[in-house]
Amino acid sequence: AQKVTQAQTEISVVEKEDVTLDCVYETRDTTYYLFWYKQPPSGELVFLIRRNSFDEQNEISGRYSWNFQKSTSSFNFTITASQVVDSAVYFCALSEGVSGGYNKLIFGAGTRLAVHP
Amino acid sequence: AAGVIQSPRHLIKEKRETATLKCYPIPRHDTVYWYQQGPGQDPQFLISFYEKMQSDKGSIPDRFSAQQFSDYHSELNMSSLELGDSALYFCASSSYSLAGGYNEQFFGPGTRLTVL
Repeated sequence: AQKVTQAQTEISVVEKEDVTLDCVYETRDTTYYLFWYKQPPSGELVFLIRRNSFDEQNEISGRYSWNFQKSTSSFNFTITASQVVDSAVYFCALSEGVSGGYNKLIFGAGTRLAVHP
Repeated sequence: AAGVIQSPRHLIKEKRETATLKCYPIPRHDTVYWYQQGPGQDPQFLISFYEKMQSDKGSIPDRFSAQQFSDYHSELNMSSLELGDSALYFCASSSYSLAGGYNEQFFGPGTRLTVL
């Protein structure tokens, strides 16, 4: 069965601190996709990154970076020099399979990040 | 760039009433998904459509039904509403290509349904 675990329910940091959000997943498929979405207080879900199971290269986008390790089934997300605007709920999600383009997302419970001035 | 459009953005209904939520996917996206997010919860998959056919079904109550039309827009119909149906309902769309494979789902702004 597929499952996504985000053990950190809430994280509180002060601006300019670095923060890492953990994500551990379970799947029996050898081909799968991992995602991170941001949900600010306004409620929309904002896509941040997609990674497929064959690509373990880490990625950096501005202050955001992602560390994908298949050996530990983890896909962690780091925000460097956090800002107040980073305050949101962050969801890690998993999708299995390759065919048809119609694979549902299984979300973790989310991590609420509060960045204080 | 065009995004996923959902209407209405807010909806208030009484118990036992019916509600219809609409979703207009990003142009040329062939797959539509519906998710339900209760207060303080993560989004839960309800149902999806690929090329106007139901492709997958999640924890969708029998009181709910959905379809995708020839113009690819989708509607989620909810009958005999219960207090527990109060939630944020998201529609997402994606596209699939033989060359690129499965693409990420882009979410609409959501419809906030309140059942009184």
